[in-house]
Amino acid sequence: DGGITQSPKYLFRKEGQNVTLSCEQNLNHDAMYWYRQDPGQGLRLIYYSQIVNDFQKGDIAEGYSVSREKKESFPLTVTSAQKNPTAFYLCASSPDWRGWGQTPLATNEKLFFGSGTQLSVL
Amino acid sequence: GIQVEQSPPDLILQEGANSTLRCNFSDSVNNLQWFHQNPWGQLINLFYIPSGTKQNGRLSATTVATERYSLLYISSSQTTDSGVYFCAVEETGNQFYFGTGTSLTVIP
Repeated sequence: DGGITQSPKYLFRKEGQNVTLSCEQNLNHDAMYWYRQDPGQGLRLIYYSQIVNDFQKGDIAEGYSVSREKKESFPLTVTSAQKNPTAFYLCASSPDWRGWGQTPLATNEKLFFGSGTQLSVL
Repeated sequence: GIQVEQSPPDLILQEGANSTLRCNFSDSVNNLQWFHQNPWGQLINLFYIPSGTKQNGRLSATTVATERYSLLYISSSQTTDSGVYFCAVEETGNQFYFGTGTSLTVIP
């Protein structure tokens, strides 16, 4: 089945450690995203990538890093610089990439989510 | 970035009741989607509705883009409707912005 797979489901980080969250999609989507959700809060954008080998910072990129070497994969590294990493992390993808000046796709532009990774600090 | 406000923040309903959830946004948007987050954290697409009205079973949604709001209607609510409902909007550049959600609890 087509979808977005996040792993692991639960992850624990020790003080000063970097950890990497995996996100893989087989939907052939161009755009991928990482969001952070804190309890009782909405989703905040960490990083997004519109195309392979390109990514942009979202609203809360500090302490995080990403790569987009393949269309299917968009891993997120939570570095030791992120002092409050405990949160639920959601990866998403979208079939639409709209470059500046291009005509936008008119139909079926949607955002699809993985099942999330809960990161906690030991 | 664009501001997204959802109301009410919390809602408790008796099974069978109807409800209306609101999403206001601060600027023109290209896309708007409604999501339901289940108790396991999974976000499920409900509607892609940048404008107009759509219906899917007991759920329907209306977006009035010129007035910058969208409404999600839930009729004959069931306990399985419980969870958090999010509105997400996209302006230009493929960035989606989320509201803080409406937490719905349906009591049997």
